[in-house]
Amino acid sequence: EAGVTQSPTHLIKTRGQQATLRCSPISGHTSVYWYQQALGLGLQFLLWYDEGEERNRGNFPPRFSGRQFPNYSSELNVNALELEDSALYLCASSWGEQGEVYNEQFFGPGTRLTVL
Amino acid sequence: DQQVKQNSPSLSVQEGRISILNCDYTNSMFDYFLWYKKYPAEGPTFLISISSIKDKNEDGRFTVFLNKSAKHLSLHIVPSQPGDSAVYFCAASAVFWGKLQFGAGTQVVVTP
Repeated sequence: EAGVTQSPTHLIKTRGQQATLRCSPISGHTSVYWYQQALGLGLQFLLWYDEGEERNRGNFPPRFSGRQFPNYSSELNVNALELEDSALYLCASSWGEQGEVYNEQFFGPGTRLTVL
Repeated sequence: DQQVKQNSPSLSVQEGRISILNCDYTNSMFDYFLWYKKYPAEGPTFLISISSIKDKNEDGRFTVFLNKSAKHLSLHIVPSQPGDSAVYFCAASAVFWGKLQFGAGTQVVVTP
């Protein structure tokens, strides 16, 4: 069974540009989560999508946004990039049933975003 | 706001011995706890989880203990192997919360 996949592996942008990161969940998983791991910091929750809707959002500015597609894959967009956005961005997926969420999240390898 | 704390940034243990990693939390809403292992430049790998209705869960060499009254959990790895050398993260969540709240991690080094 294929795990969570993310693309691209590395992304280099300049300040003020926009970055788009992509994630494909494990087959059968309907929830997708995004986390940021900046250098020297822990994993910080960004966004949670389930069944195409944003379910929860971390303490990040509106420049960070995303969406989930009908096939449950997801995109994270970061607008007006700042130097401090340089980090490893991790996507995770999990499965859940209506009214219940299973919290075992399985992570992809991440996208390393560098802002120059 | 550190709701999940791993107070030991590093742990060195001999191969074959027990590794004990500790984690404390402050939010009483947490009802599900997980441990992840992470190698550099890779995503975290899920190890083991425990819900708040249990106080122990085992999976092979890994056992997680939960003490709700003390808001404390621990991960035991027996026996420790060189491949266990990695950063271990404790995480906590609540039903319908979705997000995982991670601790800062503990770097484990298993020496021959």
